[in-house]
Amino acid sequence: AQTVTQSQPEMSVQEAETVTLSCTYDTSESDYYLFWYKQPPSRQMILVIRQEAYKQQNATENRFSVNFQKAAKSFSLKISDSQLGDAAMYFCAYKEDFGNEKLTFGTGTRLTIIP
Amino acid sequence: DTGVSQDPRHKITKRGQNVTFRCDPISEHNRLYWYRQTLGQGPEFLTYFQNEAQLEKSRLLSDRFSAERPKGSFSTLEIQRTEQGDSAMYLCASSFGQGQETQYFGPGTRLLVL
Repeated sequence: AQTVTQSQPEMSVQEAETVTLSCTYDTSESDYYLFWYKQPPSRQMILVIRQEAYKQQNATENRFSVNFQKAAKSFSLKISDSQLGDAAMYFCAYKEDFGNEKLTFGTGTRLTIIP
Repeated sequence: DTGVSQDPRHKITKRGQNVTFRCDPISEHNRLYWYRQTLGQGPEFLTYFQNEAQLEKSRLLSDRFSAERPKGSFSTLEIQRTEQGDSAMYLCASSFGQGQETQYFGPGTRLLVL
């Protein structure tokens, strides 16, 4: 079974600085998708960024970028120029390409932004 | 473009009662998913529908749980004879289908069983 591990229960970063959240996963599949979702306090989960495993290029979305290391099964999220609104729980998630539609989530990292 | 909506947002019930939650997906999405999230954990998959067909169920979905999507639009999740261990956030998500793998989540229904 696929597993997703987020080893940092909590992280904090000074406003305007850069922070990296780590995620590792275990799979025997070669084609799959990886996601980072953000869940602000008492608000709904929203997609931050996604990566297709067949793409070698790391995904970027404005201040958010990933470091996808397929051989190492690592998928870290870098947030540049951190803002107060980035404070949230961040979940890493995995999905197979075919035949299994469920997302498998990690346990999350709570990110605090220090003004 | 309205997002995924869920109703109610909060539900408090007594052990042994039945509860029903509703999810309205994004209108053009043909796939709908239910997840459960307990405190301090990531969401766990419960079940998913493609149109009106329920295609996969997790072993977490005991026989006290039933989900329907009768017309391929909104979905309901019913829990019969609730137990205190059912207390959690129940999340609904939808997606457009194969090739569009991103799931979009609703705000969730927080259930507290006393």
